[in-house]
Amino acid sequence: DTAVSQTPKYLVTQMGNDKSIKCEQNLGHDTMYWYKQDSKKFLKIMFSYNNKELIINETVPNRFSPKSPDKAHLNLHINSLELGDSAVYFCASSQVKGRRGHGELFFGEGSRLTVL
Amino acid sequence: DAKTTQPNSMESNEEEPVHLPCNHSTISGTDYIHWYRQLPSQGPEYVIHGLTSNVNNRMASLAIAEDRKSSTLILHRATLRDAAVYYCILRDVVYGSGNTGKLIFGQGTTLQVKP
Repeated sequence: DTAVSQTPKYLVTQMGNDKSIKCEQNLGHDTMYWYKQDSKKFLKIMFSYNNKELIINETVPNRFSPKSPDKAHLNLHINSLELGDSAVYFCASSQVKGRRGHGELFFGEGSRLTVL
Repeated sequence: DAKTTQPNSMESNEEEPVHLPCNHSTISGTDYIHWYRQLPSQGPEYVIHGLTSNVNNRMASLAIAEDRKSSTLILHRATLRDAAVYYCILRDVVYGSGNTGKLIFGQGTTLQVKP
């Protein structure tokens, strides 16, 4: 079983559309993250949820709205897609509370979004 | 978050050891040193981490300077599959208010392995 799975793996859409990317982890972790990797390969954190509570929101446009229905799922909805949203989006999870110093992040394989 | 400095790229020959350096002169006493790598077309994966002592695992070794201002990731025998971007990241050991366990990635070192 894949530890962190994202769907879809590839997404091609037109400017102005609304799309969602889903993420699920089966590791029992309490924290999930969304990272964006742009064309220059720079990885930047966008959001993080701990037990369904938003704990990180890194000045991401309001068009991006994360939703965590339970601690095993973190979805990313993007409204009014723009060309600059084209990137690879990575979901990750870790166990933060109750650990000291480790809590490694497990990443999904990424979802490549192309906006035309 | 404390910053790290790594060379942009390095080359190695297959089956030879590789030493990937990282400078972190502003490291604080509660920062762990983490290494992740990202293989082509994949998500980042954990490699190793340490606080003060040198560490070994099945993937690599981590050598930490006595003053903790620098560290080196050692791949003992590079294979073609080790070609990746290697990230050195500092992460506060104390989880709590204001510390969310997030990783902040820099540019990393792109390792090329030649056959």
